[in-house]
Amino acid sequence: NAGVTQTPKFRVLKTGQSMTLLCAQDMNHEYMYWYRQDPGMGLRLIHYSVGEGTTAKGEVPDGYNVSRLKKQNFLLGLESAAPSQTSVYFCASSFHRESYTFGSGTRLTVV
Amino acid sequence: DQQVKQNSPSLSVQEGRISILNCDYTNSMFDYFLWYKKYPAEGPTFLISISSIKDKNEDGRFTVFLNKSAKHLSLHIVPSQPGDSAVYFCAAPSGGGADGLTFGKGTHLIIQP
Repeated sequence: NAGVTQTPKFRVLKTGQSMTLLCAQDMNHEYMYWYRQDPGMGLRLIHYSVGEGTTAKGEVPDGYNVSRLKKQNFLLGLESAAPSQTSVYFCASSFHRESYTFGSGTRLTVV
Repeated sequence: DQQVKQNSPSLSVQEGRISILNCDYTNSMFDYFLWYKKYPAEGPTFLISISSIKDKNEDGRFTVFLNKSAKHLSLHIVPSQPGDSAVYFCAAPSGGGADGLTFGKGTHLIIQP
């Protein structure tokens, strides 16, 4: 049982480049989330989805887009990467507000 | 405005002693709280939770206490072990619960031999 899988684990981008982070879960969870973690900032919610085909903005959505075409996948896109988007990105899924499962993270550096 | 606050960035405790991690919140609508543990290069993992209808929840060496009038909760680890060295996050469900978790900034617990 893999739980929540994030790909890639590491990536270095140049300013202005684009990329997509993939999150896949095999627990049949309805809810999925993208967070970013910065030093001294805790985890902040970027976007989330309460079901296939739906997405909503979180606390820090600017510069990111998301899509949930399939229930098990939640994609996070950066159209034009900026140094301020250097961070560790975590995906999570849940079936209930009392149970969240996190992936192991993607470390992104924008130079 | 930060709704979940962990004011101690780090805490050092001797092995075998009690570790007490604190968390304050400002949103009186929060009715459920969770503690997550995070090791370097890994994702957060669920540790323990508490509903606002309780003032204490215990799971093995871990106990969480909730003081609603003070909007304060604490995580007690007894006895502290080297494997407890990690960053601990306090969190609460935002909105109706499907809106994700609001996290504190975390406390880095260091267990010294």
